[in-house]
Amino acid sequence: DSGVTQTPKHLITATGQRVTLRCSPRSGDLSVYWYQQSLDQGLQFLIQYYNGEERAKGNILERFSAQQFPDLHSELNLSSLELGDSALYFCASSSEGSTDTQYFGPGTRLTVL
Amino acid sequence: GQQVMQIPQYQHVQEGEDFTTYCNSSTTLSNIQWYKQRPGGHPVFLIQLVKSGEVKKQKRLTFQFGEAKKNSSLHITATQTTDVGTYFCRPGGSYIPTFGRGTSLIVHP
Repeated sequence: DSGVTQTPKHLITATGQRVTLRCSPRSGDLSVYWYQQSLDQGLQFLIQYYNGEERAKGNILERFSAQQFPDLHSELNLSSLELGDSALYFCASSSEGSTDTQYFGPGTRLTVL
Repeated sequence: GQQVMQIPQYQHVQEGEDFTTYCNSSTTLSNIQWYKQRPGGHPVFLIQLVKSGEVKKQKRLTFQFGEAKKNSSLHITATQTTDVGTYFCRPGGSYIPTFGRGTSLIVHP
């Protein structure tokens, strides 16, 4: 158990819909990262938050947005969903910087029908 | 972020055979981390290498960081079915975290 929690575990929705994925980092970790992993694909970095502020942005679509709240939990919002958005979405946390060891949550499997 | 090439993409081995995955960069890395993702699971940190030429061992796993700090390898001796999974390298030194594409290890009993 990494100490990172993600909800929900599975999500099935339709094209055009909007969903919110939730992540709680390990106790004491200030950084939260979001990744997308499609079938047979590697880990695609989406975005990083550090202590409530956006710190780094990767290949995140404009339809996707994220935020980190004062209690350090984070949410990833995916809107106008397309079939191609079906993937595993992982949240990871680290104590501080992007070079630190990352601890991954169990992931949210999103299926868009 | 730092880009790395990880090879091979897939490796099938018979149980008991050795396995090696390589992570290569065109630029010098400040450090490199290795993660393992079991089928249906999430990536789990294995180790971090920082020094030029560093070699670290974890039971049957041997991790190496090249002298020029541009490449790294993970070697598993006498694979077991519990070694099945995808092994990712993660180069350090960039504020954009990136991971290699991963090497999926399939172990046939």
